[in-house]
Amino acid sequence: QVTLKESGPALVKPTQTLTLTCTFSGFSLSTTGMRVSWIRQPPGKALEWLARIDWDDDKFYSTSLKTRLTISKDTSKNQVVLTMTNMDPEDTATYYCARTLASGRGMDVWGQGTTVTVSS
Amino acid sequence: DIQMTQSPSSLSASVGDRVTITCRASQSIGTYLNWYQQKPGKAPKLLMYDASSLQSGVPSRFSGSGSGTDFTLTISSLQPEDFATYYCQQSYSTTWTFGQGTKVEIK
Repeated sequence: QVTLKESGPALVKPTQTLTLTCTFSGFSLSTTGMRVSWIRQPPGKALEWLARIDWDDDKFYSTSLKTRLTISKDTSKNQVVLTMTNMDPEDTATYYCARTLASGRGMDVWGQGTTVTVSS
Repeated sequence: DIQMTQSPSSLSASVGDRVTITCRASQSIGTYLNWYQQKPGKAPKLLMYDASSLQSGVPSRFSGSGSGTDFTLTISSLQPEDFATYYCQQSYSTTWTFGQGTKVEIK
């Protein structure tokens, strides 16, 4: 069974750095074609793709947020970590991680999401 | 970035209706187009990938079509459990993007 679960702080202050961890099971991020993405959704708004890391350690970022994002993986721990610097109240959202099996296959398994509020 | 535009933003329909949602890309994306369903308080669920391939376990009343810049998601006979928000997403470019969503409500 493939599962992903997001973890991290529920509350961060403006200007702080957010660190989120996606812990997964049931697949290996070393498998050719495998990818893990981070997506967020502000309350009442649309989904926004943030970043992706691939099996070969290629990394890709949202154009609008790339200066603030870093994605990394620890294959031995089955974890993907996303950091976002200089947090702002507009970054308040539910953050999801999701798996993609191969190019063109969509994000087929999602975590339950973790809600992050940015407030002083 | 490739912009994805969905229409309509919302629609009201009855159980048994045929529903069509459109997604337009700002440039050609081949068939690198996925559709998701999201219910309130839940994570999105993959319905279709590669524009017209049905994800395993998804009912056959869902279908997708299109290529290039214009795509559609069709629900052939709307069921009570289909009332939700639907998103398209392109995976053609290295940076992925979602549409703004289409909310399907009960008439």
